[in-house]
Amino acid sequence: DIQMTQSPSSLSASVGDRVTITCRASQGIRNDLGWYQQKPGKAPKRLIYAASSLLSGVPSRFSGSASGTEFTLTISSLQPEDFATYYCLQHNRYWTFGQGTKVQIK
Amino acid sequence: QLQLQESGPGLVKPSETLSLTCTVSSGSISSSSYYWGWIRQPPGKGLEWIGSIYYSGNSFYNPSLKSRVTMSVDTSKNQFSLKLNSVTAADAAVYYCATLPYCTGGSCYGQLYDSWGQGTLVTVSS
Repeated sequence: DIQMTQSPSSLSASVGDRVTITCRASQGIRNDLGWYQQKPGKAPKRLIYAASSLLSGVPSRFSGSASGTEFTLTISSLQPEDFATYYCLQHNRYWTFGQGTKVQIK
Repeated sequence: QLQLQESGPGLVKPSETLSLTCTVSSGSISSSSYYWGWIRQPPGKGLEWIGSIYYSGNSFYNPSLKSRVTMSVDTSKNQFSLKLNSVTAADAAVYYCATLPYCTGGSCYGQLYDSWGQGTLVTVSS
C-alpha cells in the first residue's frame, strides 16, 4: 500500500502569509497526485491535479510542485477564503489521502 | 456539470450492513473518464478512501476495509452502490460519493473532472 504522510497537521497564519503544505509518498507515484480543499460541512474540492496543474477557476495564488516522492502545495498570499483543511490524494496505485492540514487564522 | 447524490439510511445498528447509493445526474455513469468512488470522514477527522468502481464493474477496495466492502454499478439507473457489513461505531462518518482520477498503462484519466455528492451522515447505534 502507498502511504501519504502530510505535514503539518495544522498551522496558523495571517492573511497575506505564504503557506506551504507537504505530502510525502512512501514510494514513487510519478506525479499522480491532487490537492483538495475542504471547508466545514462541505465536500472536498480539487484544486490541483498532476501535482502541479491548476484546475480551471482556481486562483493563481495556489501552486503545486513535486520533487521525487515529496509534493508541496503553496498558497502564495493567504486570503480569508483560504482558511480550510487541505488534503493530498495519490491515485498512482489505488487511492490514498494524506491526513490533512488545517489552515487556521492566527 | 455532473451531479452526485448519496442516499440511504442515516442510522445503522451495530453488526448490521450499511447500504448507500449514489445517483449520477447530468451525465452518464458509463463514462470511461474516471472511477466512481466512496470516501468517508468520521466526525472531526480526515478523509478515508473506501473503494472505487469503474462503469464496467471493475473495483478496488481499501485493504483495511476490503473484507467488509462490496461496491456495484447499475448502469440502467445511473447509480453505484456501497455495502459495508458488520458495522461498528468506528464506521460512523459522513460518506461521500465522488469521481476519482485513475492511472493505467502509464496514462492518467479523469484529472480534470471533480464531482462530489454533498455527503450523507451515517450513525451507528442500537
